[in-house]
Amino acid sequence: DAGVIQSPRHEVTEMGQEVTLRCKPISGHNSLFWYRQTMMRGLELLIYFNNNVPIDDSGMPEDRFSAKMPNASFSTLKIQPSEPRDSAVYLCASRLALGGGRDTQYFGPGTRLTVL
Amino acid sequence: KQEVTQIPAALSVPEGENLVLNCSFTDSAIYNLQWFRQDPGKGLTSLLLIQSSQREQTSGRLNASLDKSSGRSTLYIAASQPGDSATYLCAVLYNTDKLIFGTGTRLQVFP
Repeated sequence: DAGVIQSPRHEVTEMGQEVTLRCKPISGHNSLFWYRQTMMRGLELLIYFNNNVPIDDSGMPEDRFSAKMPNASFSTLKIQPSEPRDSAVYLCASRLALGGGRDTQYFGPGTRLTVL
Repeated sequence: KQEVTQIPAALSVPEGENLVLNCSFTDSAIYNLQWFRQDPGKGLTSLLLIQSSQREQTSGRLNASLDKSSGRSTLYIAASQPGDSATYLCAVLYNTDKLIFGTGTRLQVFP
């Protein structure tokens, strides 16, 4: 299995531009998580999906952030417009949850976003 | 508020030493606790997962313990090697399905 795939690995953009981050979960997994990692705040959960349905988006910082999961094999995290304080590493993780079990999450390599 | 704290923030040891990383959490109503490893520029790799009903888990040179009543977990690494150099993250899962991460311990093992 290729694991969780994220693209791009690095993104440099200018303030005000739209940024789209992509994630392909492990095939067969039914939960997907988006995290943001910074030196100041560590790892924070932004949003997660179960069976393609958003369950909890309370970690999404502002209306500038949106996430979608149109099917079981693809998710996007969009920032519009981007700001310098959005600079961080964005991590995607997936999990196979069976019968309410809380199994481990498998993480992708992350996207390092720099907003100038 | 559910918080997870890790001590120390950084650790540098010579190869061969046994070492202990500490994790504490404020809310003891956990579902499970995990230890992850993160290498520079890479994602997280799960090392050990301890369910709330368990006291410890072992994998090779790694042993993690859990004391729910005191809100503590330790990760013990035996006979450390330079390849163990990484950041180690403790994460607690509550019934809300949210993983709450600690700030990590950055470990360097030198030859």
